[in-house]
Amino acid sequence: LAKTTQPISMDSYEGQEVNITCSHNNIATNDYITWYQQFPSQGPRFIIQGYKTKVTNEVASLFIPADRKSSTLSLPRVSLSDTAVYYCLVGGMNNLFFGTGTRLTVIP
Amino acid sequence: ETGVTQTPRHLVMGMTNKKSLKCEQHLGHNAMYWYKQSAKKPLELMFVYSLEERVENNSVPSRFSPECPNSSHLFLHLHTLQPEDSALYLCASSLSPPGTGGTDTQYFGPGTRLTVL
Repeated sequence: LAKTTQPISMDSYEGQEVNITCSHNNIATNDYITWYQQFPSQGPRFIIQGYKTKVTNEVASLFIPADRKSSTLSLPRVSLSDTAVYYCLVGGMNNLFFGTGTRLTVIP
Repeated sequence: ETGVTQTPRHLVMGMTNKKSLKCEQHLGHNAMYWYKQSAKKPLELMFVYSLEERVENNSVPSRFSPECPNSSHLFLHLHTLQPEDSALYLCASSLSPPGTGGTDTQYFGPGTRLTVL
């Protein structure tokens, strides 16, 4: 099973870039890496997914090194509304286990 | 978002009641999921359906009974619940079942806030 490890919490000031790193040492060849965002009392929302190198969309970037044993979610110029819990999920049936995620608090 | 809808949004029930939660997805997806999220705890997977067949039952008590009559609808039937079952119940769907990399991204509904008295 590709278990993931993320920091429990992070703080950042408004306008800064935030990088959240997830470790997944046992990632399998066919596994994708998916990040979700969750606000209180709401369901998680898909942010970005990647397999290797770099993926960018309108809200975030995902950096995956060649060995794929970790990944970094990058949120450019965060705002107060980015305060949420961020989850990193890897692979197959493990895409169903969200863990505790990283609680990001954006400070004014 | 209106891709995945859940009703009711809030439900209060006694321990002897029978109620059902409904989930509907309008995304043409083939897999659907039930999760439970208790206060300040991670999401707990309850059930997974793929093409209307249950593929995962994560040791859920029998007082929770899922039903998937077609690929667009998912129900969670509740009976003789306990106060500790009070939680946010989330439904999700994905185009493909888990493990199909790239197309198994889950889209969540807004949840049903359940309170058991």
